[in-house]
Amino acid sequence: EVQLLESGGGLVQPGGSLRLSCAASRFTFSNYDMSWVRQAPGKGLEWVSAISTSGGYTYYADSVKGRFTISRDNSKNTLYLQMNSLRAEDTAVYYCAIRLPGPLWGQGTLVTVSS
Amino acid sequence: DIQMTQSPSSLSASIGDRVTITCRASQDIRNDLGWYQQKPGKAPKRLIYAASSLQSGVPSRFSGSGSATEFTLTISSLQPEDFATYYCLQHTTYPWTFGQGTKVEIK
Repeated sequence: EVQLLESGGGLVQPGGSLRLSCAASRFTFSNYDMSWVRQAPGKGLEWVSAISTSGGYTYYADSVKGRFTISRDNSKNTLYLQMNSLRAEDTAVYYCAIRLPGPLWGQGTLVTVSS
Repeated sequence: DIQMTQSPSSLSASIGDRVTITCRASQDIRNDLGWYQQKPGKAPKRLIYAASSLQSGVPSRFSGSGSATEFTLTISSLQPEDFATYYCLQHTTYPWTFGQGTKVEIK
Protein backbone atom coordinates (compact mmCIF):
# COMPACT_ATOMS: atom_id res chain seq x y z
CA GLU A 1 0.00 0.00 0.00
CA VAL A 2 1.16 3.50 -0.85
CA GLN A 3 2.94 5.31 1.98
CA LEU A 4 3.48 9.05 2.06
CA LEU A 5 5.11 10.71 5.06
CA GLU A 6 5.15 14.50 5.21
CA SER A 7 7.56 16.45 7.40
CA GLY A 8 9.03 19.91 7.83
CA GLY A 9 6.04 21.78 9.18
CA GLY A 10 6.22 24.15 12.10
CA LEU A 11 5.78 27.70 13.31
CA VAL A 12 7.19 30.45 11.10
CA GLN A 13 6.84 34.22 11.11
CA PRO A 14 5.06 36.08 8.31
CA GLY A 15 7.48 36.63 5.46
CA GLY A 16 9.53 33.60 6.45
CA SER A 17 10.35 30.40 4.61
CA LEU A 18 9.86 26.70 5.17
CA ARG A 19 10.59 23.56 3.16
CA LEU A 20 8.27 20.59 3.37
CA SER A 21 9.32 17.07 2.44
CA CYS A 22 7.32 13.99 1.58
CA ALA A 23 8.97 10.58 1.75
CA ALA A 24 7.28 8.08 -0.54
CA SER A 25 7.44 4.31 -0.27
CA ARG A 26 5.77 1.09 -1.41
CA PHE A 27 5.32 2.30 -4.98
CA THR A 28 7.51 3.36 -7.88
CA PHE A 29 7.71 7.07 -7.10
CA SER A 30 9.22 8.09 -10.43
CA ASN A 31 6.18 6.77 -12.32
CA TYR A 32 3.66 9.15 -10.79
CA ASP A 33 2.79 12.81 -10.88
CA MET A 34 2.65 14.22 -7.35
CA SER A 35 0.79 17.11 -5.73
CA TRP A 36 0.50 19.10 -2.55
CA VAL A 37 -2.93 19.77 -1.07
CA ARG A 38 -3.67 21.87 2.02
CA GLN A 39 -6.43 22.46 4.52
CA ALA A 40 -6.64 25.60 6.64
CA PRO A 41 -8.07 25.15 10.15
CA GLY A 42 -11.82 24.60 9.98
CA LYS A 43 -11.84 24.99 6.18
CA GLY A 44 -12.11 22.80 3.12
CA LEU A 45 -9.41 21.25 0.98
CA GLU A 46 -7.33 23.23 -1.51
CA TRP A 47 -4.96 21.92 -4.17
CA VAL A 48 -1.64 23.81 -4.03
CA SER A 49 0.81 22.48 -6.61
CA ALA A 50 1.71 19.53 -8.81
CA ILE A 51 4.77 18.14 -10.57
CA SER A 52 5.18 15.68 -13.42
CA THR A 53 7.08 12.40 -13.15
CA SER A 54 10.41 13.81 -14.31
CA GLY A 55 9.90 17.23 -12.76
CA GLY A 56 9.77 18.88 -16.13
CA TYR A 57 6.29 20.28 -15.65
CA THR A 58 5.04 22.11 -12.59
CA TYR A 59 1.67 23.65 -11.77
CA TYR A 60 0.59 26.06 -9.05
CA ALA A 61 -2.57 27.49 -7.56
CA ASP A 62 -2.87 31.22 -8.13
CA SER A 63 -2.74 31.74 -4.36
CA VAL A 64 0.86 30.45 -4.14
CA LYS A 65 2.29 31.19 -7.58
CA GLY A 66 5.60 33.01 -7.35
CA ARG A 67 6.05 32.12 -3.66
CA PHE A 68 6.05 28.31 -3.55
CA THR A 69 8.25 25.91 -5.55
CA ILE A 70 7.55 22.22 -5.95
CA SER A 71 10.35 19.79 -6.75
CA ARG A 72 11.20 16.12 -6.51
CA ASP A 73 14.21 13.85 -6.19
CA ASN A 74 13.35 10.53 -7.77
CA SER A 75 16.62 9.00 -6.55
CA LYS A 76 15.47 9.67 -2.98
CA ASN A 77 11.74 9.02 -3.52
CA THR A 78 11.05 12.43 -2.04
CA LEU A 79 8.78 15.33 -2.94
CA TYR A 80 9.45 18.87 -1.73
CA LEU A 81 7.59 22.14 -1.34
CA GLN A 82 9.70 25.25 -0.80
CA MET A 83 7.50 27.95 0.69
CA ASN A 84 8.74 31.56 0.71
CA SER A 85 7.12 34.86 1.68
CA LEU A 86 4.70 33.02 3.92
CA ARG A 87 1.46 34.68 4.96
CA ALA A 88 -1.01 34.04 7.76
CA GLU A 89 -3.42 32.60 5.20
CA ASP A 90 -0.89 29.86 4.37
CA THR A 91 -1.51 28.36 7.80
CA ALA A 92 -2.79 24.85 7.11
CA VAL A 93 -2.12 21.15 7.23
CA TYR A 94 -0.19 20.26 4.07
CA TYR A 95 -0.64 16.85 2.47
CA CYS A 96 1.38 15.32 -0.34
CA ALA A 97 -0.68 13.32 -2.80
CA ILE A 98 -0.07 10.73 -5.49
CA ARG A 99 -2.00 11.15 -8.73
CA LEU A 100 -4.04 7.99 -8.97
CA PRO A 101 -7.62 7.46 -10.13
CA GLY A 102 -8.71 8.94 -6.84
CA PRO A 103 -5.59 10.54 -5.39
CA LEU A 104 -4.18 9.32 -2.08
CA TRP A 105 -2.28 11.35 0.48
CA GLY A 106 -0.44 11.06 3.75
CA GLN A 107 -1.23 12.23 7.26
CA GLY A 108 -0.05 15.78 6.67
CA THR A 109 2.22 18.29 8.37
CA LEU A 110 1.01 21.46 10.06
CA VAL A 111 2.36 24.84 9.00
CA THR A 112 1.54 27.79 11.23
CA VAL A 113 2.39 31.30 10.05
CA SER A 114 2.19 33.69 12.96
CA SER A 115 4.19 36.33 14.77
CA ASP B 1 -10.79 26.19 -13.62
CA ILE B 2 -13.40 23.45 -13.12
CA GLN B 3 -15.89 24.31 -10.40
CA MET B 4 -17.28 21.52 -8.21
CA THR B 5 -20.65 22.28 -6.63
CA GLN B 6 -21.39 19.91 -3.77
CA SER B 7 -24.77 19.66 -2.06
CA PRO B 8 -26.05 19.76 0.54
CA SER B 9 -23.46 21.56 2.69
CA SER B 10 -24.81 19.73 5.72
CA LEU B 11 -27.49 17.24 6.62
CA SER B 12 -28.97 15.62 9.69
CA ALA B 13 -29.84 11.96 9.48
CA SER B 14 -30.66 9.00 11.70
CA ILE B 15 -28.98 5.65 11.99
CA GLY B 16 -30.21 3.43 9.18
CA ASP B 17 -31.17 6.31 6.87
CA ARG B 18 -30.19 6.39 3.22
CA VAL B 19 -28.03 9.43 2.51
CA THR B 20 -27.21 10.96 -0.88
CA ILE B 21 -24.61 13.66 -1.59
CA THR B 22 -24.22 15.22 -5.02
CA CYS B 23 -21.34 16.90 -6.84
CA ARG B 24 -21.77 18.78 -10.10
CA ALA B 25 -18.83 19.73 -12.27
CA SER B 26 -18.83 22.87 -14.39
CA GLN B 27 -17.53 20.85 -17.34
CA ASP B 28 -17.05 17.23 -18.37
CA ILE B 29 -14.57 15.47 -16.09
CA ARG B 30 -15.24 11.95 -17.45
CA ASN B 31 -15.04 9.74 -14.36
CA ASP B 32 -12.04 11.50 -12.77
CA LEU B 33 -13.78 11.93 -9.45
CA GLY B 34 -13.10 10.67 -5.97
CA TRP B 35 -15.09 10.79 -2.74
CA TYR B 36 -13.39 11.27 0.63
CA GLN B 37 -14.48 11.02 4.24
CA GLN B 38 -12.88 13.18 6.91
CA LYS B 39 -13.25 12.92 10.65
CA PRO B 40 -12.05 15.67 13.02
CA GLY B 41 -8.29 15.84 13.37
CA LYS B 42 -7.70 13.18 10.71
CA ALA B 43 -6.59 13.19 7.10
CA PRO B 44 -9.30 12.62 4.49
CA LYS B 45 -9.78 8.96 3.64
CA ARG B 46 -10.58 7.80 0.10
CA LEU B 47 -13.91 5.98 -0.18
CA ILE B 48 -14.58 5.93 -3.92
CA TYR B 49 -12.29 6.40 -6.93
CA ALA B 50 -13.01 6.66 -10.64
CA ALA B 51 -16.51 7.83 -9.70
CA SER B 52 -17.85 4.40 -8.79
CA SER B 53 -15.05 2.07 -7.66
CA LEU B 54 -15.08 1.20 -3.97
CA GLN B 55 -11.79 1.55 -2.13
CA SER B 56 -10.60 -1.75 -0.66
CA GLY B 57 -11.71 -2.09 2.95
CA VAL B 58 -14.54 0.44 2.70
CA PRO B 59 -17.96 -0.96 3.66
CA SER B 60 -20.27 -1.82 0.78
CA ARG B 61 -22.95 0.54 2.10
CA PHE B 62 -20.94 3.27 0.37
CA SER B 63 -21.41 3.60 -3.37
CA GLY B 64 -20.64 6.15 -6.05
CA SER B 65 -22.25 6.79 -9.39
CA GLY B 66 -22.24 9.25 -12.25
CA SER B 67 -20.02 10.51 -15.03
CA ALA B 68 -19.26 13.67 -17.00
CA THR B 69 -20.78 16.42 -14.82
CA GLU B 70 -23.09 14.75 -12.30
CA PHE B 71 -21.92 12.50 -9.48
CA THR B 72 -23.49 10.97 -6.41
CA LEU B 73 -22.23 9.39 -3.20
CA THR B 74 -24.79 7.18 -1.47
CA ILE B 75 -24.66 5.66 1.99
CA SER B 76 -27.35 2.98 1.93
CA SER B 77 -27.80 2.63 5.70
CA LEU B 78 -26.08 5.23 7.84
CA GLN B 79 -24.00 3.88 10.70
CA PRO B 80 -22.65 5.71 13.78
CA GLU B 81 -19.11 5.73 12.39
CA ASP B 82 -20.28 7.48 9.20
CA PHE B 83 -20.86 10.83 10.87
CA ALA B 84 -18.16 12.93 9.26
CA THR B 85 -17.52 15.44 6.50
CA TYR B 86 -17.47 14.23 2.90
CA TYR B 87 -15.68 15.83 -0.05
CA CYS B 88 -15.61 15.20 -3.77
CA LEU B 89 -12.46 15.87 -5.79
CA GLN B 90 -12.01 16.23 -9.54
CA HIS B 91 -8.52 15.39 -10.78
CA THR B 92 -8.99 15.46 -14.54
CA THR B 93 -6.98 18.67 -14.95
CA TYR B 94 -4.95 21.03 -12.81
CA PRO B 95 -5.94 22.79 -10.71
CA TRP B 96 -7.63 19.91 -8.95
CA THR B 97 -10.78 21.21 -7.34
CA PHE B 98 -12.79 20.00 -4.37
CA GLY B 99 -16.43 20.30 -3.45
CA GLN B 100 -17.16 22.51 -0.47
CA GLY B 101 -17.86 19.50 1.76
CA THR B 102 -20.97 17.94 3.30
CA LYS B 103 -21.13 17.57 7.05
CA VAL B 104 -23.27 14.59 8.06
CA GLU B 105 -24.63 15.00 11.56
CA ILE B 106 -26.79 12.94 13.88
CA LYS B 107 -30.48 13.81 13.96
